[in-house]
Order: sequence, then structure tokens, then C-alpha cells
Amino acid sequence: KNEVEQSPQNLTAQEGEFITINCSYSVGISALHWLQQHPGGGIVSLFMLSSGKKKHGRLIATINIQEKHSSLHITASHPRDSAVYICAATVSFKAAGNKLTFGGGTRVLVKP
Amino acid sequence: NAGVTQTPKFRILKIGQSMTLQCTQDMNHNYMYWYRQDPGMGLKLIYYSVGAGITDKGEVPNGYNVSRSTTEDFPLRLELAAPSQTSVYFCASSYSYATEAFFGQGTRLTVV
Repeated sequence: KNEVEQSPQNLTAQEGEFITINCSYSVGISALHWLQQHPGGGIVSLFMLSSGKKKHGRLIATINIQEKHSSLHITASHPRDSAVYICAATVSFKAAGNKLTFGGGTRVLVKP
Repeated sequence: NAGVTQTPKFRILKIGQSMTLQCTQDMNHNYMYWYRQDPGMGLKLIYYSVGAGITDKGEVPNGYNVSRSTTEDFPLRLELAAPSQTSVYFCASSYSYATEAFFGQGTRLTVV
């Protein structure tokens, strides 16, 4: 079982719909990241959070530390939101380092 | 600011050839990472560095080497390319282990 699991793997929505992507993790973490990867493009950090909720434009990220669960919401989705969304957790790695452990990604397609 | 710059963007190697993937960042970040992303899979950590002169193995280090002689640069060396190393490689950096990570645009490597 992966330490970081995302669902769904693929998601298709109509423009304007509300989208939710879920991320569960099974290890202790110091931070949870949401990343966006456009087709053929690089990876951009959307949020980093360790508690509560963050909002940026139409994107909202929440985390529940007790339940080891985070969600990324996209309100009023638009075709330009089509991308792969990746959840990653900062976990302790050996004694001196920390690393990001990645979920498998959620491929989102928003149709006009 | 350029952020994290990776070169080259694309490369085709023959089996047994060697090459170096370059990564440089201008944000004075201590932490730098190399990941590979295989189709349909999450990113896997190859090597990481917590500062100049300090490197350590990640989850999938076999077939790769790194060095960190300066804060800015973190090159990844493939000594004897194998088809299993066909992947997209991402370099990333962060100020510390629990701060936002910045990613390069990726290098698409094909070994034939």
C-alpha cells in the first residue's frame, strides 16, 4: 500500500462544476502539498498546508490531521483547470532528511 | 528570478551511453531533489541534498550519481544508460524540508 493515496485517478467534469480530489496518507507528516502538472509541462506548487484550510482563487485545500486526509476543491471549474493534480506529503526520511512522498495523481478533464 | 532550471528538456540516449542532467536554482535553497516520473506512476525520489557537499540516496538511486559542490547546482549523472531509465526527470528545490517545493520543467529522457 502506498503511503499517499489519491482518488479518483481520473475525473471528467463539465465547465462550471464543483470538483473534489481526495488524498489519504498513512504516515506522520509535517506538511501536505498539492501540485498541478499541465500536459507536457512542469509541476507547479498550489498549496502547502499542515492544518486547516487554504484558499487561492477558485482553489481550496483542506486537511484533517486526525483523519490523515486532505481534499482539493475546484469551484466553478474551467477547461483551463484540466491538468494532473498531485498530492504529496513531507515525511521524515532517515534521521537527517525529509522527503516528499507523492500520490499517483488525479487526471482532471474539464469539458466546455 | 529563474527559479529551478533544468537542461536539457529532451534527450535520446543509446544503451550504455552516459549523460548529465543539469539543475540549477537561484533561490538560495538548501534542499534539492531529483525525481523520476514514469507513465501513470507517482514521482519517485532518486537522490536528494540538504546542502552543499551533502547528498543522500532516495528510493530509486541505482544507476545514478549526484554531486552538490555549490548551493545552486545539483547535477544528476547517468553512467551506463539502460532502457529502464526512460522517464521524465524533475529537479526540485526548497528552503527547508517543510517549505514549498519549486520544480524545474522536467527532462524527457528516452534510452533506446
